[in-house]
Amino acid sequence: NAGVTQTPKFQVLKTGQSMTLQCAQDMNHNSMYWYRQDPGMGLRLIYYSASEGTTDKGEVPNGYNVSRLNKREFSLRLESAAPSQTSVYFCASRAPAGGRELTDTQYFGPGTRLTVL
Amino acid sequence: GNSVTQMEGPVTLSEEAFLTINCTYTATGYPSLFWYVQYPGEGLQLLLKATKADDKGSNKGFEATYRKETTSFHLEKGSVQVSDSAVYFCALRGRGSTLGRLYFGRGTQLTVWP
Repeated sequence: NAGVTQTPKFQVLKTGQSMTLQCAQDMNHNSMYWYRQDPGMGLRLIYYSASEGTTDKGEVPNGYNVSRLNKREFSLRLESAAPSQTSVYFCASRAPAGGRELTDTQYFGPGTRLTVL
Repeated sequence: GNSVTQMEGPVTLSEEAFLTINCTYTATGYPSLFWYVQYPGEGLQLLLKATKADDKGSNKGFEATYRKETTSFHLEKGSVQVSDSAVYFCALRGRGSTLGRLYFGRGTQLTVWP
């Protein structure tokens, strides 16, 4: 049981390049989230997905797209990277309502550190 | 709206010192409250939680009490260890939020010296 995994761990891009951050969870969770973490800003929600096939915008969605490919995987895409997107990106998942797990608990991946030059 | 305000860091303490990290919140209704911890190079982990007024969450010697009257959820530990060095985040989940969205404070860096 690996929990939430993210790839890659580190990435350097040039302005205008595109890339996709991958996230997968093996806990059978319905809800998944993408956050970015910037110094002094805490974590801010980019996008979230309540279930397979649905996605919604969070606080800072501009410049990003997401895909909930199946129940396990939730990817984040930067179509044209900008220096303002330099950040650490975290994926998280949450247990389904009514399950034995604490439904309020989000489980986080180890993060992807992205630098855009 | 929902928001969380945390005391500014960094906080530097000697081993066995008493720790308090202040957290206050603004929310509609009665949210659930959390403390998450992030060790260097890792993702966030749930440290403790409280879901209603006067609840006390506790874990690994850390405690926090949900105070509705002061809208606060301060984190405390009686005797910190070097291994407690990490970034601590206060967070809330709005009552009735079926999507489980969390609102985080800015984080407080704690460094404990031997």
